[in-house]
Amino acid sequence: QKEVEQDPGPLSVPEGAIVSLNCTYSNSAFQYFMWYRQYSRKGPELLMYTYSSGNKEDGRFTAQVDKSSKYISLFIRDSQPSDSATYLCAMTNLNTGNQFYFGTGTSLTVIP
Amino acid sequence: EAGVAQSPRYKIIEKRQSVAFWCNPISGHATLYWYQQILGQGPKLLIQFQNNGVVDDSQLPKDRFSAERLKGVDSTLKIQPAKLEDSAVYLCASSLDWISEQFFGPGTRLTVL
Repeated sequence: QKEVEQDPGPLSVPEGAIVSLNCTYSNSAFQYFMWYRQYSRKGPELLMYTYSSGNKEDGRFTAQVDKSSKYISLFIRDSQPSDSATYLCAMTNLNTGNQFYFGTGTSLTVIP
Repeated sequence: EAGVAQSPRYKIIEKRQSVAFWCNPISGHATLYWYQQILGQGPKLLIQFQNNGVVDDSQLPKDRFSAERLKGVDSTLKIQPAKLEDSAVYLCASSLDWISEQFFGPGTRLTVL
């Protein structure tokens, strides 16, 4: 079983739609959860991070963590064409170093 | 603030040849990472340096891959000899310390024919 599972998509939505991206994980020791955005032929850039269960909001983006279900989500409201990218979830157990475990990434296209 | 620099951006080689990639991290960042990202997959950590010491190289195929970070700044990753399955994007990242946000470079896209 992979440490982190993520639906690769691709996901195609019209502009203005609400997008939901999800990851599941198997290691209950993970306590630091991140979402990265990766544009074509670029390196990943950190979008959001959270340490605990619950919701964290930043503008049009909301990160949600449910540790009891080992499930994390990223919601994008009022999606824009500029949101078209691959979204990678990542997580780590800071108690055993800072090795990130990444999902495979979900490719998102927002159609104008 | 300048970002993480990598070169070359693209490299095409034949199998069994050697190749080297270079990374210049953000100034002052003590921790440096090399990741391999195969098409359609998430990045996989190959090696992590803290200054010029290796912290984690458990997933580095040491029979063909080597990496160094002399003087705790720039780093090079070498593959010798290359195999077809090494075709991937090699990403370098750096962070202030091992617990801080990682900043990624644009990557080097390697194609092995």
